[in-house]
Amino acid sequence: QVQLQESGPGLVKPSQTLSLTCTVSGGFISSGTYYWSWIRQHPERGLEWIGYIYYSGSTYYNPSLKSRVTISVDTSKNQFSLKLNSVTAADTAVYYCARASRGLAFDYWGQGTLVTVSS
Amino acid sequence: QSALAQPASVSESPGQSITISCTGSSSDVGGYDYVSWYQQHPGKAPKLMIYDVSNRPSGVGNRFSGSKSGNTASLTISGLQPEDEAAYYCSSHTTSSTVVFGGGTKLTVL
Repeated sequence: QVQLQESGPGLVKPSQTLSLTCTVSGGFISSGTYYWSWIRQHPERGLEWIGYIYYSGSTYYNPSLKSRVTISVDTSKNQFSLKLNSVTAADTAVYYCARASRGLAFDYWGQGTLVTVSS
Repeated sequence: QSALAQPASVSESPGQSITISCTGSSSDVGGYDYVSWYQQHPGKAPKLMIYDVSNRPSGVGNRFSGSKSGNTASLTISGLQPEDEAAYYCSSHTTSSTVVFGGGTKLTVL
């Protein structure tokens, strides 16, 4: 059973960089044709796709966030990471990591982690 | 990319059926058979209910079904049960190899 777990600071100051890591267990990031993704949900709002990294290292980002986002993978640790720079209060949200298979359906999700942007 | 359009809320009585729509464009919903549906209970992570328009993952009951016509996809839940009360989101692959979600629909089982 694949499991994903987000980790990182729950509080980030405005203008700084939000950094989160997703640790994958029960499977290897490098072993299959999966898309390792980040998705966020603002309080009381809907889901917003941030981006994904293919096991080969190719990345795709939401055009509205592309200038501030970097997703990377560390296959030796079976982890992938999110960096979002120049954050503002509008980036306060629950951040989920998830695995997508062919067709970009997200079949496994982390539990989510709340990141608050505040001074 | 614009969010897919879903009704903000729907409600129906237990035992009845409900259909939730998800409207996009030829660049997403209409262009690919890669529409997914998710169920989210408060405080929980979303759960995949339908993928590739009409396929159910293992463990999802056959009361949940999906379809698509043109640029609009639909999720139908039959025999509504109290535990079906949740938010439902659609998503689609796009021509840019990105993902777009719908705004979400809050289902109330009266």
